[in-house]
Amino acid sequence: QVTLKESGPVLVKPTETLTLTCTVSGFSLNTPRMGVSWIRQPPGKALEWLAHIFSNDQKTYTTSLKSRLTISKDTSKSQVVLTMTNLDPLDTAAYYCARSRIESGYYYMDVWGEGTTVTVSS
Amino acid sequence: DIQMTQSPSTVSASVGDRVTITCRASQSISIWLAWYQQKPGKAPNLLIYDASILESGVPSRFSGSGSGTEFTLTISSLQPDDFAVFYCQQYRGYPWTFGQGTTVEIK
Repeated sequence: QVTLKESGPVLVKPTETLTLTCTVSGFSLNTPRMGVSWIRQPPGKALEWLAHIFSNDQKTYTTSLKSRLTISKDTSKSQVVLTMTNLDPLDTAAYYCARSRIESGYYYMDVWGEGTTVTVSS
Repeated sequence: DIQMTQSPSTVSASVGDRVTITCRASQSISIWLAWYQQKPGKAPNLLIYDASILESGVPSRFSGSGSGTEFTLTISSLQPDDFAVFYCQQYRGYPWTFGQGTTVEIK
């Protein structure tokens, strides 16, 4: 059974750096044709895709936040880490990680973690 | 970036109704579109990928169609468990983008 679980701080101060960890089970982060994404959702708003890391360690980021985001993985620990710098109250959101897979054409997200809520406030 | 626009924003329906949600892309994405269902306080759940392929375990009352720039999600007979927010998402190009969501509420 494939599962993903997010962890990280609940409360962060403005201008600080956020570090979130996604721990996966049921698949390896080295499995070809699979990857992991981070997505966020501010309260009452729509989903926003943030970043993706492929099994070959290639990475891609959303345009508007690219300068503030870093995604990495530790295959031995089955963990994907997202860091976001210079936090603002507008970064308050539920943060999700999700597995992606590719079958016939392009990667898509099939299994999501339950999410972790982050509040940015002084 | 590819913009995704869903309509309507809210649909009020009764159990047993047929419900259709539309998603439009700002440029052609071929069939590279997914639909998710999200219930309050929960993570999104994949319903359909590649525009029309039903994810394993998803009830057959859900179906998807379309290609290019226009797509639809249809629930053939709405069930009590279906009241939720539905999102479309394109994965033809990065950055991946979502629609703004459609709420299916009880009439």
